[in-house]
Amino acid sequence: SYELTQPPSVSVSPGQTARITCSAGPVPKQYAYWYQQKPGQAPVLVIYKDIERPSGIPERFSGFSSGTTVTLIISGVQAEDEADYYCQSVDSSGTFWVFGGGTKLTVL
Amino acid sequence: EVQLVQSGAEVKEPGESLKISCKGSGYTFTTYWIGWVRQMPGKGLEWMGIIYPGDSETKYSPSLQGQVTISADKAISTAYLQWSSLKASDTAIYYCARRAGYCSSSNCYSFYYMDVWGNGTTVTVSS
Repeated sequence: SYELTQPPSVSVSPGQTARITCSAGPVPKQYAYWYQQKPGQAPVLVIYKDIERPSGIPERFSGFSSGTTVTLIISGVQAEDEADYYCQSVDSSGTFWVFGGGTKLTVL
Repeated sequence: EVQLVQSGAEVKEPGESLKISCKGSGYTFTTYWIGWVRQMPGKGLEWMGIIYPGDSETKYSPSLQGQVTISADKAISTAYLQWSSLKASDTAIYYCARRAGYCSSSNCYSFYYMDVWGNGTTVTVSS
Protein backbone atom coordinates (compact mmCIF):
# COMPACT_ATOMS: atom_id res chain seq x y z
CA SER A 1 0.00 0.00 0.00
CA TYR A 2 1.03 3.58 -0.59
CA GLU A 3 2.64 5.22 2.44
CA LEU A 4 4.06 8.60 3.34
CA THR A 5 6.71 8.77 6.05
CA GLN A 6 7.45 11.92 8.05
CA PRO A 7 9.70 12.53 11.05
CA PRO A 8 7.62 12.78 14.24
CA SER A 9 9.20 16.05 15.32
CA VAL A 10 11.42 18.90 14.18
CA SER A 11 12.72 21.69 16.40
CA VAL A 12 14.21 25.02 15.32
CA SER A 13 14.96 28.38 16.88
CA PRO A 14 13.14 31.50 15.70
CA GLY A 15 14.60 32.89 12.50
CA GLN A 16 16.14 29.59 11.46
CA THR A 17 15.02 27.36 8.59
CA ALA A 18 12.86 24.32 9.28
CA ARG A 19 12.85 21.40 6.87
CA ILE A 20 10.21 18.69 7.14
CA THR A 21 10.56 15.68 4.87
CA CYS A 22 7.96 13.32 3.48
CA SER A 23 9.11 10.09 1.84
CA ALA A 24 6.77 8.20 -0.46
CA GLY A 25 6.73 4.50 -1.25
CA PRO A 26 6.70 1.89 -2.55
CA VAL A 27 5.15 3.10 -5.84
CA PRO A 28 6.35 6.17 -7.75
CA LYS A 29 5.55 9.46 -6.06
CA GLN A 30 2.56 11.50 -7.06
CA TYR A 31 2.31 15.20 -6.27
CA ALA A 32 2.41 16.00 -2.56
CA TYR A 33 0.47 18.54 -0.59
CA TRP A 34 1.20 20.04 2.83
CA TYR A 35 -1.23 21.09 5.55
CA GLN A 36 -0.62 23.02 8.76
CA GLN A 37 -2.74 22.22 11.77
CA LYS A 38 -2.65 24.26 14.95
CA PRO A 39 -4.18 22.93 18.20
CA GLY A 40 -7.96 22.95 18.13
CA GLN A 41 -8.12 24.07 14.51
CA ALA A 42 -8.84 22.47 11.17
CA PRO A 43 -5.93 21.88 8.79
CA VAL A 44 -4.91 24.61 6.36
CA LEU A 45 -3.24 23.97 3.00
CA VAL A 46 0.21 25.59 2.81
CA ILE A 47 1.78 23.93 -0.27
CA TYR A 48 0.20 22.13 -3.24
CA LYS A 49 1.66 20.19 -6.18
CA ASP A 50 5.00 19.79 -4.35
CA ILE A 51 6.11 23.43 -4.64
CA GLU A 52 3.14 25.75 -5.23
CA ARG A 53 2.01 28.15 -2.50
CA PRO A 54 -1.69 29.08 -2.18
CA SER A 55 -2.62 32.72 -2.00
CA GLY A 56 -2.53 34.06 1.52
CA ILE A 57 0.25 31.74 2.66
CA PRO A 58 3.42 33.61 3.70
CA GLU A 59 6.38 33.48 1.31
CA ARG A 60 8.53 31.83 3.98
CA PHE A 61 6.69 28.59 3.19
CA SER A 62 8.08 26.71 0.19
CA GLY A 63 8.33 23.17 -1.12
CA PHE A 64 11.04 21.07 -2.72
CA SER A 65 10.86 17.70 -4.45
CA SER A 66 13.60 15.23 -5.28
CA GLY A 67 13.05 11.62 -6.21
CA THR A 68 10.54 10.07 -3.84
CA THR A 69 10.99 12.71 -1.12
CA VAL A 70 9.30 16.06 -0.81
CA THR A 71 10.33 18.69 1.70
CA LEU A 72 8.41 21.51 3.31
CA ILE A 73 10.75 24.41 3.97
CA ILE A 74 9.90 27.22 6.37
CA SER A 75 12.45 30.02 6.14
CA GLY A 76 12.83 32.47 9.00
CA VAL A 77 10.59 30.44 11.29
CA GLN A 78 8.30 32.45 13.56
CA ALA A 79 6.67 31.41 16.82
CA GLU A 80 3.28 31.31 15.06
CA ASP A 81 4.57 28.53 12.78
CA GLU A 82 4.59 26.08 15.68
CA ALA A 83 2.08 23.45 14.58
CA ASP A 84 1.63 19.94 13.23
CA TYR A 85 2.40 19.54 9.54
CA TYR A 86 1.00 16.76 7.36
CA CYS A 87 1.92 15.74 3.85
CA GLN A 88 -0.75 14.17 1.69
CA SER A 89 -0.81 12.43 -1.67
CA VAL A 90 -2.73 9.82 -3.65
CA ASP A 91 -2.01 6.36 -4.99
CA SER A 92 -1.05 5.90 -8.63
CA SER A 93 -4.67 5.36 -9.67
CA GLY A 94 -5.77 8.56 -7.95
CA THR A 95 -8.41 6.61 -6.08
CA PHE A 96 -7.08 6.46 -2.54
CA TRP A 97 -5.72 9.40 -0.65
CA VAL A 98 -3.14 9.10 2.12
CA PHE A 99 -1.70 11.35 4.80
CA GLY A 100 1.72 11.13 6.35
CA GLY A 101 1.87 10.56 10.08
CA GLY A 102 2.49 14.23 10.78
CA THR A 103 5.43 16.24 12.10
CA LYS A 104 5.27 18.43 15.18
CA LEU A 105 7.25 21.60 14.59
CA THR A 106 8.52 23.13 17.80
CA VAL A 107 9.87 26.67 17.80
CA LEU A 108 12.39 26.83 20.63
CA GLU B 1 -17.42 33.08 1.00
CA VAL B 2 -16.95 29.35 0.51
CA GLN B 3 -17.80 27.53 3.72
CA LEU B 4 -18.37 24.05 5.07
CA VAL B 5 -20.34 24.03 8.30
CA GLN B 6 -20.45 20.79 10.26
CA SER B 7 -22.98 19.59 12.79
CA GLY B 8 -22.30 19.83 16.50
CA ALA B 9 -20.51 17.52 18.91
CA GLU B 10 -22.07 14.16 19.69
CA VAL B 11 -21.85 11.87 22.71
CA LYS B 12 -23.09 8.34 22.06
CA GLU B 13 -22.98 4.89 23.60
CA PRO B 14 -21.45 1.85 21.88
CA GLY B 15 -23.88 0.20 19.50
CA GLU B 16 -25.83 3.38 18.76
CA SER B 17 -26.19 4.82 15.27
CA LEU B 18 -25.11 8.30 14.23
CA LYS B 19 -25.21 10.58 11.20
CA ILE B 20 -23.17 13.80 11.12
CA SER B 21 -23.47 16.47 8.49
CA CYS B 22 -21.46 18.98 6.47
CA LYS B 23 -23.29 21.81 4.72
CA GLY B 24 -21.61 23.64 1.88
CA SER B 25 -22.28 27.23 0.88
CA GLY B 26 -20.80 29.91 -1.35
CA TYR B 27 -20.12 27.57 -4.28
CA THR B 28 -21.84 25.04 -6.54
CA PHE B 29 -22.07 22.07 -4.21
CA THR B 30 -22.68 19.49 -6.93
CA THR B 31 -19.44 20.12 -8.84
CA TYR B 32 -16.91 19.60 -6.03
CA TRP B 33 -16.03 16.35 -4.25
CA ILE B 34 -16.40 16.33 -0.47
CA GLY B 35 -14.01 14.21 1.59
CA TRP B 36 -14.07 13.05 5.20
CA VAL B 37 -10.99 12.94 7.42
CA ARG B 38 -10.72 11.35 10.86
CA GLN B 39 -8.46 12.49 13.65
CA MET B 40 -8.41 10.21 16.66
CA PRO B 41 -7.40 11.73 20.01
CA GLY B 42 -3.78 12.85 19.90
CA LYS B 43 -3.26 11.25 16.50
CA GLY B 44 -2.79 12.30 12.90
CA LEU B 45 -5.12 12.82 9.98
CA GLU B 46 -6.66 9.80 8.28
CA TRP B 47 -8.50 9.93 4.96
CA MET B 48 -11.81 8.10 5.18
CA GLY B 49 -13.43 8.58 1.82
CA ILE B 50 -14.87 11.02 -0.67
CA ILE B 51 -18.15 11.67 -2.47
CA TYR B 52 -19.16 13.59 -5.59
CA PRO B 53 -22.52 15.15 -4.72
CA GLY B 54 -23.45 15.56 -8.37
CA ASP B 55 -23.96 11.82 -8.87
CA SER B 56 -23.12 10.40 -5.41
CA GLU B 57 -20.08 8.50 -6.69
CA THR B 58 -18.22 7.46 -3.55
CA LYS B 59 -14.78 6.07 -2.77
CA TYR B 60 -13.75 4.67 0.60
CA SER B 61 -10.45 4.04 2.30
CA PRO B 62 -9.86 0.27 2.17
CA SER B 63 -9.33 0.23 5.93
CA LEU B 64 -12.76 1.78 6.59
CA GLN B 65 -14.84 0.21 3.85
CA GLY B 66 -18.03 -1.17 5.35
CA GLN B 67 -17.61 0.57 8.68
CA VAL B 68 -19.07 3.93 7.67
CA THR B 69 -21.37 5.26 4.98
CA ILE B 70 -20.78 8.52 3.11
CA SER B 71 -23.74 10.13 1.39
CA ALA B 72 -24.95 13.49 0.12
CA ASP B 73 -28.20 15.35 -0.45
CA LYS B 74 -27.53 17.81 -3.25
CA ALA B 75 -30.91 19.47 -2.81
CA ILE B 76 -29.74 20.90 0.52
CA SER B 77 -25.98 21.02 -0.26
CA THR B 78 -25.16 18.64 2.56
CA ALA B 79 -22.84 15.66 2.87
CA TYR B 80 -23.12 13.03 5.57
CA LEU B 81 -21.03 10.49 7.42
CA GLN B 82 -22.91 7.78 9.25
CA TRP B 83 -22.41 4.75 11.44
CA SER B 84 -24.93 1.98 12.10
CA SER B 85 -23.25 0.70 15.24
CA LEU B 86 -20.66 2.87 16.94
CA LYS B 87 -17.63 1.55 18.79
CA ALA B 88 -15.46 3.26 21.37
CA SER B 89 -12.70 3.34 18.75
CA ASP B 90 -14.86 5.68 16.64
CA THR B 91 -14.14 8.44 19.16
CA ALA B 92 -12.48 11.16 17.11
CA ILE B 93 -12.83 14.54 15.44
CA TYR B 94 -14.27 14.21 11.97
CA TYR B 95 -13.56 16.86 9.35
CA CYS B 96 -15.25 17.32 6.03
CA ALA B 97 -13.27 19.10 3.33
CA ARG B 98 -13.80 20.19 -0.25
CA ARG B 99 -11.63 18.69 -2.92
CA ALA B 100 -10.03 21.52 -4.87
CA GLY B 101 -11.01 22.06 -8.46
CA TYR B 102 -12.46 24.45 -10.97
CA CYS B 103 -15.04 24.54 -13.73
CA SER B 104 -14.64 26.01 -17.18
CA SER B 105 -17.56 26.75 -19.44
CA SER B 106 -17.69 23.13 -20.55
CA ASN B 107 -15.96 20.95 -17.97
CA CYS B 108 -15.09 20.65 -14.30
CA TYR B 109 -11.63 19.54 -13.12
CA SER B 110 -10.60 18.19 -9.72
CA PHE B 111 -7.24 18.22 -7.99
CA TYR B 112 -5.86 15.87 -5.38
CA TYR B 113 -5.97 18.13 -2.36
CA MET B 114 -8.46 19.76 -0.01
CA ASP B 115 -8.82 23.52 -0.22
CA VAL B 116 -11.66 24.25 2.22
CA TRP B 117 -12.19 22.48 5.52
CA GLY B 118 -15.12 22.29 7.89
CA ASN B 119 -14.84 23.16 11.55
CA GLY B 120 -14.84 19.52 12.65
CA THR B 121 -17.34 17.40 14.56
CA THR B 122 -16.23 15.74 17.79
CA VAL B 123 -17.74 12.32 18.29
CA THR B 124 -17.36 10.65 21.67
CA VAL B 125 -18.43 7.04 22.09
CA SER B 126 -18.47 5.86 25.67
CA SER B 127 -20.59 3.76 27.96
